[in-house]
Amino acid sequence: EAGVVQSPRYKIIEKKQPVAFWCNPISGHNTLYWYRQNLGQGPELLIRYENEEAVDDSQLPKDRFSAERLKGVDSTLKIQPAELGDSAVYLCASSSGGVAGANVLTFGAGSRLTVL
Amino acid sequence: DQQVKQNSPSLSVQEGRISILNCDYTNSMFDYFLWYKKYPAEGPTFLISISSIKDKNEDGRFTVFLNKSAKHLSLHIVPSQPGDSAVYFCAAINNDMRFGAGTRLTVKP
Repeated sequence: EAGVVQSPRYKIIEKKQPVAFWCNPISGHNTLYWYRQNLGQGPELLIRYENEEAVDDSQLPKDRFSAERLKGVDSTLKIQPAELGDSAVYLCASSSGGVAGANVLTFGAGSRLTVL
Repeated sequence: DQQVKQNSPSLSVQEGRISILNCDYTNSMFDYFLWYKKYPAEGPTFLISISSIKDKNEDGRFTVFLNKSAKHLSLHIVPSQPGDSAVYFCAAINNDMRFGAGTRLTVKP
């Protein structure tokens, strides 16, 4: 069984340019997460989806970040325009249930963004 | 706000010895705790977890201890192996999952 698939693995862009990341979760996993991991820090939640509904986007900087999960499967995370401080690894994760109790997230390998 | 803290950025141990990774948290509402392991260029992978109603959970060489009164948990790896060298993240769940900054473990042959 394929794990969580993310693309691109690496992206280098100039500031003010747009960028998009794609995530394909594990088949059957209804819950999808986007995390951002800055260098030397742990992952920080950006947004959580239950099927196609964004149920927690309180940490998503909505002035420049957007996300969608059409049909409750694949998801894209977009940044427009990118800023220098957006350089980080963007991790997608999925799980089979809601966020509570014994839930275990399966992470993708991440998309490393460098903004010059 | 750092609700989950891993105060040791790195730890080095000799192969065969015990590795002890520590984690402290501030939110008493956390009810489930997990440890993730991360190799370079890969996403974090789940290692072991513990519910707040327990104080110990063991899985092979890995044991997690929870001290609720101290808001502290630890991961013990016995015996440590070179393949255990990775970054270990502590995570805690209330309404969402919060991660610590990670501890880089190096197990020397």
